Amino acid sequence: EPEVTQTPSHQVTQMGQEVILRCVPISNHLYFYWYRQILGQKVEFLVSFYNNEISEKSEIFDDQFSVERPDGSNFTLKIRSTKLEDSAMYFCASTEGENTEAFFGQGTRLTVV
Amino acid sequence: AQSVTQPDIHITVSEGASLELRCNYSYGATPYLFWYVQSPGQGLQLLLKYFSGDTLVQGIKGFEAEFKRSQSSFNLRKPSVHWSDAAEYFCAVGVKEYGNKLVFGAGTILRVKS
Repeated sequence: EPEVTQTPSHQVTQMGQEVILRCVPISNHLYFYWYRQILGQKVEFLVSFYNNEISEKSEIFDDQFSVERPDGSNFTLKIRSTKLEDSAMYFCASTEGENTEAFFGQGTRLTVV
Repeated sequence: AQSVTQPDIHITVSEGASLELRCNYSYGATPYLFWYVQSPGQGLQLLLKYFSGDTLVQGIKGFEAEFKRSQSSFNLRKPSVHWSDAAEYFCAVGVKEYGNKLVFGAGTILRVKS
């Protein structure tokens, strides 16, 4: 069964450092998303991406965040200068079309120290 | 603003007992509705979804949910809970008019006692 793959599963980084979280969406999917879940809290939407551009972003997704689809398979989330409050589980998701079922990756647990 | 409410933070049921997890949403438009399950440290697995049609939908692992437009609810049910169902359950709503994102509820942690 096709799945969304995220790497790494865990990442520890020092405050102020840049991190890149990687995702390989399902191959025929066209819409890509990042969500995050701070420990003990709800899953929150960060950004959606379609046709090589951001289609929507939340208030959380400020100038410190960026997304990119550098090639035909990867979808990345970059945090330029990490803060302690960026510590969270980050989930990548993809959908085949508009408002179809979202498939989530297993997540990357980011710890900023 | 769009919101999804799961009023129960924790629920404990005995193994073999029935289960109902509540979900209410606040939207002006017709939503798409989902239930996801998350085991500790794991990702989100889709249990079931509602897009249109029959308001009672069947999912995996013996779960079902019923969409009630008049109550803006999409409650998750299971007739007989198994110990392996212990996890956190998230209701999520997608609305086409608000883009493709999902808005999640705060989650309900299910504990199963033997």
